[in-house]
Amino acid sequence: ILNVEQSPQSLHVQEGDSTNFTCSFPSSNFYALHWYRWETAKSPEALFVMTLNGDEKKKGRISATLNTKEGYSYLYIKGSQPEDSATYLCASGSGGYQKVTFGIGTKLQVIP
Amino acid sequence: SAVISQKPSRDICQRGTSLTIQCQVDSQVTMMFWYRQQPGQSLTLIATANQGSEATYESGFVIDKFPISRPNLTFSTLTVSNMSPEDSSIYLCSVRTALTNDYGYTFGSGTRLTVV
Repeated sequence: ILNVEQSPQSLHVQEGDSTNFTCSFPSSNFYALHWYRWETAKSPEALFVMTLNGDEKKKGRISATLNTKEGYSYLYIKGSQPEDSATYLCASGSGGYQKVTFGIGTKLQVIP
Repeated sequence: SAVISQKPSRDICQRGTSLTIQCQVDSQVTMMFWYRQQPGQSLTLIATANQGSEATYESGFVIDKFPISRPNLTFSTLTVSNMSPEDSSIYLCSVRTALTNDYGYTFGSGTRLTVV
């Protein structure tokens, strides 16, 4: 994998449903994996930064896992709420930590 | 974490003109990053702005098209020059920010540019 890829590109879920999305990234020379939430007309907000294989982080109903050997990360949202509607971006850093490469994002819409 | 004020928030510009986007950070930072998101595309790094030296541009971006100023450790501008409709994008500035156990990025609120 040469680029950072996210799937699906968009999804709609019902309020209360749990959901997850995938981020695939180059596993060679890996440094860090970032997740951001970007709501319309706002700035992207950092959710997690993970660096260690097997890392799992949690923030309220949102959690993320990291597999650096195979180059993927999952983001989980438990019991989706309308305020979770946003585009979720992942970004992979390799080599030096100052620059990351972003995926295209997963646009989530939670239907009340 | 840092707070970034970015302006303008949006603009509609005529082709052939230039637009300067400003970012003000509430603390001193060594590096500021400028990104672009074209419709349907990922956030792409344009350049890294360092105080006291020339900006470092990524492949595909040149100084004549995207001149950057960094007069001090809290402020930077990006100019989109001689605009064409292909420059219609969201432009974002960002800085590295300390999170709980590592560093992520704090972003400005973005400039939504439409070139007609």
